[in-house]
Amino acid sequence: QKEVEQDPGPLSVPEGAIVSLNCTYSNSAFQYFMWYRQYSRKGPELLMYTYSSGNKEDGRFTAQVDKSSKYISLFIRDSQPSDSATYLCATPYSGAGSYQLTFGKGTKLSVIP
Amino acid sequence: DTAVSQTPKYLVTQMGNDKSIKCEQNLGHDTMYWYKQDSKKFLKIMFSYNNKELIINETVPNRFSPKSPDKAHLNLHINSLELGDSAVYFCASSQEGFPNEQFFGPGTRLTVL
Repeated sequence: QKEVEQDPGPLSVPEGAIVSLNCTYSNSAFQYFMWYRQYSRKGPELLMYTYSSGNKEDGRFTAQVDKSSKYISLFIRDSQPSDSATYLCATPYSGAGSYQLTFGKGTKLSVIP
Repeated sequence: DTAVSQTPKYLVTQMGNDKSIKCEQNLGHDTMYWYKQDSKKFLKIMFSYNNKELIINETVPNRFSPKSPDKAHLNLHINSLELGDSAVYFCASSQEGFPNEQFFGPGTRLTVL
């Protein structure tokens, strides 16, 4: 299986709130997880990635993977209006002799000033 | 310098027409992709090309055909356009293999009337 499930939201929070964005996956072979951010009318851009279980922090952003529950999370601390975007989780899978990415459906986040 | 570029940015056309979208990447990547993003923001892979060989075609109608004149370019030709083809089309590129981190272009918004 190559699916990643993600609640599409939308999610609306006040400025300064802690945001939690989540995905679940079904294939325990998945090892590497990415978060893409897509602003309105722009292409997705890679925000951060993490291997297997554990946390990775980058400024106000923390990516977390819980392999036991097959759960991927992105936390945003002190959220800003500039964080308003759609966030997509993704993971590479091997198929047809090459690696591809499977994406979640994206969660639309609005941070209200 | 833009890493992955697409032209045109907007394309409005009538049903039944044939159109092309161009994509270029200057990252030196081995593999290029075309994605379709529908109104619900779901990002669906259409094609990927590696060394001028098509390696994935995910149930896309044969009205769609990718053409790669060289490693840095992957153009998308669409024949006999239909209303359901209206969407945003993204080009992306990556190095071959794991973890397949992909870099996206700005998108082409296609509207079929």
